[in-house]
Amino acid sequence: KNQVEQSPQSLIILEGKNCTLQCNYTVSPFSNLRWYKQDTGRGPVSLTIMTFSENTKSNGRYTATLDADTKQSSLHITASQLSDSASYICVVSASGTYKYIFGTGTRLKVLA
Amino acid sequence: NAGVTQTPKFQVLKTGQSMTLQCAQDMNHEYMSWYRQDPGMGLRLIHYSVGAGITDQGEVPNGYNVSRSTTEDFPLRLLSAAPSQTSVYFCASSYLSRAGGLTVNTGELFFGEGSRLTVL
Repeated sequence: KNQVEQSPQSLIILEGKNCTLQCNYTVSPFSNLRWYKQDTGRGPVSLTIMTFSENTKSNGRYTATLDADTKQSSLHITASQLSDSASYICVVSASGTYKYIFGTGTRLKVLA
Repeated sequence: NAGVTQTPKFQVLKTGQSMTLQCAQDMNHEYMSWYRQDPGMGLRLIHYSVGAGITDQGEVPNGYNVSRSTTEDFPLRLLSAAPSQTSVYFCASSYLSRAGGLTVNTGELFFGEGSRLTVL
């Protein structure tokens, strides 16, 4: 069964600190993996996309990694800001399908 | 550029009532979809469409109906609302890519702002 699991479920850090969010997937055949940020009361917004051949991709203070062999991805946030408080959702697409498989998300809270 | 627009943002229904959630996109995306988001669960696909006149069921289609008469619009109808349909609903769209004669969906999903529905 195609599944996406994220950890931790929730995380609290102090402003300025770094953190890493994890995503494990069992989706096959793999097409791509995206990380989305969802602010409270808003729709998710894409942060980055990882395809099979990519290991690392950065978007400002966000760096995503992908290990296609172990089917794991991580999202590293550097020098966190209060505005980083949100849910971060890992989404995997299976090749040849129209469907996206969503993780349940990691809720991040950044404290001043 | 409006992107994906959902209406209404909030709605309260009584059990048994029907209603339609509206979704419109101005990006000429072929793919449109409806999700529901419940606490502790990932976004779950209700219905999706890969073009005008073409719809298909997702993971949780029961109690919902869709149609796609134009590229821009993809309304979601609740036929007879039940308390279990209390949720936040998101409409999302993306482009479709084609490779080797196959149409696959690898595009970024653009989401609306959500519609919060409460069924009493």
